[in-house]
Amino acid sequence: DTGVSQDPRHKITKRGQNVTFRCDPISEHNRLYWYRQTLGQGPEFLTYFQNEAQLEKSRLLSDRFSAERPKGSFSTLEIQRTEQGDSAMYLCASSLALLRRSPNEKLFFGSGTQLSVL
Amino acid sequence: AQTVTQSQPEMSVQEAETVTLSCTYDTSESDYYLFWYKQPPSRQMILVIRQEAYKQQNATENRFSVNFQKAAKSFSLKISDSQLGDAAMYFCAYRSASQGGSEKLVFGKGTKLTVNP
Repeated sequence: DTGVSQDPRHKITKRGQNVTFRCDPISEHNRLYWYRQTLGQGPEFLTYFQNEAQLEKSRLLSDRFSAERPKGSFSTLEIQRTEQGDSAMYLCASSLALLRRSPNEKLFFGSGTQLSVL
Repeated sequence: AQTVTQSQPEMSVQEAETVTLSCTYDTSESDYYLFWYKQPPSRQMILVIRQEAYKQQNATENRFSVNFQKAAKSFSLKISDSQLGDAAMYFCAYRSASQGGSEKLVFGKGTKLTVNP
């Protein structure tokens, strides 16, 4: 299967600890997105990369959150000093976008990382 | 800011019957895209259907079709000949197509669809 891969699938941590998630996009995709989904809600946008450049960040992404995509391949999302409110599923998606606002851009989502902060 | 509202938290349908899921949205933009995504228990979001706002013709994908009413800002999904595999959470989503607009998808809260055998 060459879809979007996220690791780990589940993460349990104690409040105040740092956590890091990894996303491996489909290999030829140039865009990579991070979303957060809490129980009973739809996904909320966090940030996205075009190759290695982080082009947009949500106001939801506080100073405790940082995302990187070195060399335009995989991406990591780190949360420092986790809080109980960070408990959510973190979704990654990738796409091949040849133009800005391409109508044919199709996002492929991973299965997410479920974070529980105790 | 754009918002997407799904007023039906849960819906159910008998196998082989037709069901319609509702979605309304709010935006001041004239150029945008609308989507329906399916999220099965595996958690992986899957694109079901897409509509470009400048197109008057409603999109169709096999058993899935939409009723796009731009003036009313309504975008409903019709699933015909429902199958057990259609059971999932369905999310309506909006994306700007305007120059300078955000690249993000704005999702509704979702509708849980149950298909009864």
